[in-house]
Amino acid sequence: AQKVTQAQTEISVVEKEDVTLDCVYETRDTTYYLFWYKQPPSGELVFLIRRNSFDEQNEISGRYSWNFQKSTSSFNFTITASQVVDSAVYFCALIDSGGSNYKLTFGKGTLLTVNP
Amino acid sequence: DTGVSQDPRHKITKRGQNVTFRCDPISEHNRLYWYRQTLGQGPEFLTYFQNEAQLEKSRLLSDRFSAERPKGSFSTLEIQRTEQGDSAMYLCASSLLTLEGYTFGSGTRLTVV
Repeated sequence: AQKVTQAQTEISVVEKEDVTLDCVYETRDTTYYLFWYKQPPSGELVFLIRRNSFDEQNEISGRYSWNFQKSTSSFNFTITASQVVDSAVYFCALIDSGGSNYKLTFGKGTLLTVNP
Repeated sequence: DTGVSQDPRHKITKRGQNVTFRCDPISEHNRLYWYRQTLGQGPEFLTYFQNEAQLEKSRLLSDRFSAERPKGSFSTLEIQRTEQGDSAMYLCASSLLTLEGYTFGSGTRLTVV
């Protein structure tokens, strides 16, 4: 069965520090999708990125970057020069083909607090 | 494209009452999903519609829960005879068949007192 583990429950940093959020996944499928979502205090889940299992190219979007490594089943997320507005809960999630190809399996999330 | 809309944002109800939530997906999205999120946890899948057909229901959905998506447009989630354990955030999402644009709404926070 699929599983997503976010071992870091809470992280606290000072503004302008770089921070990496870890995500480790388990799946038996060779075809799967990985996602990151941000959930600010307002509650909405904001989509950040989707990556399919055949695309191991790392991605950078502004201050955000993602490191996908199939060899270690990890899909880590780094925020460079963090800002107070980055404070939120961040979720890593997985969709695979086993049983369904539409159901997101989420990790428990990492609460990031960026202090001024 | 106004995103996924959910109504109401908050609902407080007494135990035993029925409640109904509404979700309006992104108009061109065929797929619609409901998830439930309890405090300190990630969202958990409840049910899935492709157009108007409900194709999967999680074991988390007891007989007190029912969801509909008439005409493949908006969806409603009804909880009958609410219990305190139903208190949670109920999130709706929609996407294309290809999973492109898997977008969540702001959720409905239910408190059962």
